[in-house]
Amino acid sequence: AQTVTQSQPEMSVQEAETVTLSCTYDTSESDYYLFWYKQPPSRQMILVIRQEAYKQQNATENRFSVNFQKAAKSFSLKISDSQLGDAAMYFCAYRRVGGSNYKLTFGKGTLLTVNP
Amino acid sequence: ETGVTQTPRHLVMGMTNKKSLKCEQHLGHNAMYWYKQSAKKPLELMFVYSLEERVENNSVPSRFSPECPNSSHLFLHLHTLQPEDSALYLCASSLGLAGGPKGYEQYFGPGTRLTVT
Repeated sequence: AQTVTQSQPEMSVQEAETVTLSCTYDTSESDYYLFWYKQPPSRQMILVIRQEAYKQQNATENRFSVNFQKAAKSFSLKISDSQLGDAAMYFCAYRRVGGSNYKLTFGKGTLLTVNP
Repeated sequence: ETGVTQTPRHLVMGMTNKKSLKCEQHLGHNAMYWYKQSAKKPLELMFVYSLEERVENNSVPSRFSPECPNSSHLFLHLHTLQPEDSALYLCASSLGLAGGPKGYEQYFGPGTRLTVT
């Protein structure tokens, strides 16, 4: 069974600084997708960034980028120039491609605090 | 806010009550999901519907009963719940269950905070 581990329950960063959130996963599949979701306090969970496992190039969305290390099964999220609005719970998620398993497997989350 | 809405946002119910949670998506998606989010635990997938047909039921107790009358609406009927069922219940939708990364992306509603007393 696939598992997703976020080893940092909480992280903090100063405004305008850079922070990296860690995620590791366990799978025997070769083709899958990885996601980072953001859940601000009392607000909806939204997709931040997506990575296809077959792509070697790391995904980037504005100030958000990932470091995808397929062999190490590692998928970290880097937030550059942190802003107060980045404060949220961040979830790493895995989804295999195809098959009858429709499940998004989530980690337990990392609570990010941004200090002014 | 995304195109997935949930009502009510907060619900307090006794163990003998019957209530329903409602989810509506305005994105033209064909798949809808119910998740349970408890503190310090990963999100737990409860049910998956594709084109109004249930395709997954992850060993959820029968006191939770889903209903999907059409591809835009999803309900979760609750009866004789237990205090450990208190949690945030999230609804999500996606284009479908396949079709590449865009098809897999799930859009979440704001959730219903359920408290069972």
